[in-house]
Amino acid sequence: GAGVSQSPSNKVTEKGKDVELRCDPISGHTALYWYRQSLGQGLEFLIYFQGNSAPDKSGLPSDRFSAERTGGSVSTLTIQRTQQEDSAVYLCASSSQVGQTAQNIQYFGAGTRLSVL
Amino acid sequence: AQSVTQLDSQVPVFEEAPVELRCNYSSSVSVYLFWYVQYPNQGLQLLLKYLSGSTLVKGINGFEAEFNKSQTSFHLRKPSVHISDTAEYFCAVNRNAGNMLTFGGGTRLMVKP
Repeated sequence: GAGVSQSPSNKVTEKGKDVELRCDPISGHTALYWYRQSLGQGLEFLIYFQGNSAPDKSGLPSDRFSAERTGGSVSTLTIQRTQQEDSAVYLCASSSQVGQTAQNIQYFGAGTRLSVL
Repeated sequence: AQSVTQLDSQVPVFEEAPVELRCNYSSSVSVYLFWYVQYPNQGLQLLLKYLSGSTLVKGINGFEAEFNKSQTSFHLRKPSVHISDTAEYFCAVNRNAGNMLTFGGGTRLMVKP
């Protein structure tokens, strides 16, 4: 597809279970971002991947959160032992690398709505 | 660190009226500024961005924004809104040499017939 694809679109899980959220970036985009959108906290940065560089994990809220990016393309965000406060929409974005990273437009997927019961 | 404040959480307006959505930021370094729109159950779509140069930037769907460095503002405007403009609007900044966007809390624009 032409845009950023995220799956599943909705995920309902029980407290304490692990979940995996998937992101397929736009083909050729070397940068990939995860954000979380929740009612209480708004839009928050979670993690950033750029090529083969070590990811910037500075936004991950706890060690229950992790992410990987295989082959410089698809990324998976994993949340272990989910808690009710993890309920949110998880958004993935990708961008090309032209000049400074900060100038590049981030293109967003539609998100995965996670509900932890 | 930078922060972004969107002063209005909701803005109701009648169709064909003008609208201004306010955004102020704070940062100790140079930043790049963005406005995104989010329609229900969709991701964020870029409306416009300011990187450098002319302080008045034009975006899609008839929106424009003006960068004011002295007031650290980047307000979004449209001279005549349509029902289809009903959505949530986010102002965001990315610092020079930064990676992630820092978003404001969002403004819900509600266009009434």
